Amino acid sequence: DQQVKQNSPSLSVQEGRISILNCDYTNSMFDYFLWYKKYPAEGPTFLISISSIKDKNEDGRFTVFLNKSAKHLSLHIVPSQPGDSAVYFCAASAQNQFYFGTGTSLTVIP
Amino acid sequence: NAGVTQTPKFQVLKTGQSMTLQCAQDMNHNSMYWYRQDPGMGLRLIYYSASEGTTDKGEVPNGYNVSRLNKREFSLRLESAAPSQTSVYFCASSVPSGGAQETQYFGPGTRLLVL
Repeated sequence: DQQVKQNSPSLSVQEGRISILNCDYTNSMFDYFLWYKKYPAEGPTFLISISSIKDKNEDGRFTVFLNKSAKHLSLHIVPSQPGDSAVYFCAASAQNQFYFGTGTSLTVIP
Repeated sequence: NAGVTQTPKFQVLKTGQSMTLQCAQDMNHNSMYWYRQDPGMGLRLIYYSASEGTTDKGEVPNGYNVSRLNKREFSLRLESAAPSQTSVYFCASSVPSGGAQETQYFGPGTRLLVL
């Protein structure tokens, strides 16, 4: 049973606009959440993370929001750039075991 | 600093053949992981090693064995490959990033096709 879900397989956004990628989880024991970016034929690369004791973490153009009551997190990319086109995975961690969503393919249209 | 390296990059096996996927990291990380990625399934943990000399099963360990040879190397072995093991395999290592939380760094992946 999928403990981390990304219900949107794909998303297209115009360059310069905001990209919002969503992720839901079911396990209330998760205490750390991460977003990874993956280009074709490469391994995932770490993008940004958030601890369960926070509700927001920002790093440049990337912001992750956590809503623990809703078991929901989102990644905001502002402004979106063509180089952001990739597959984005959210992941959740408990006791150093990581569970990944199925990914959302983001296309930023120039 | 090469990060996490994996060999081979691509392999074709026949059903029943065996092989070992190699992984090495030069970041002095304690924890290492093996994942498989299948279409529509995300990344699923096969085995992990929290430290040299220890290994634990993940979500999908059946059909695999692992060896944490030393701090740098963590290998994944398929004793008798099956078509269901056709996948992309990723190795990762992790470093504490605050408190008990760890951030993983991934290798480039090994594409395995079992005929």
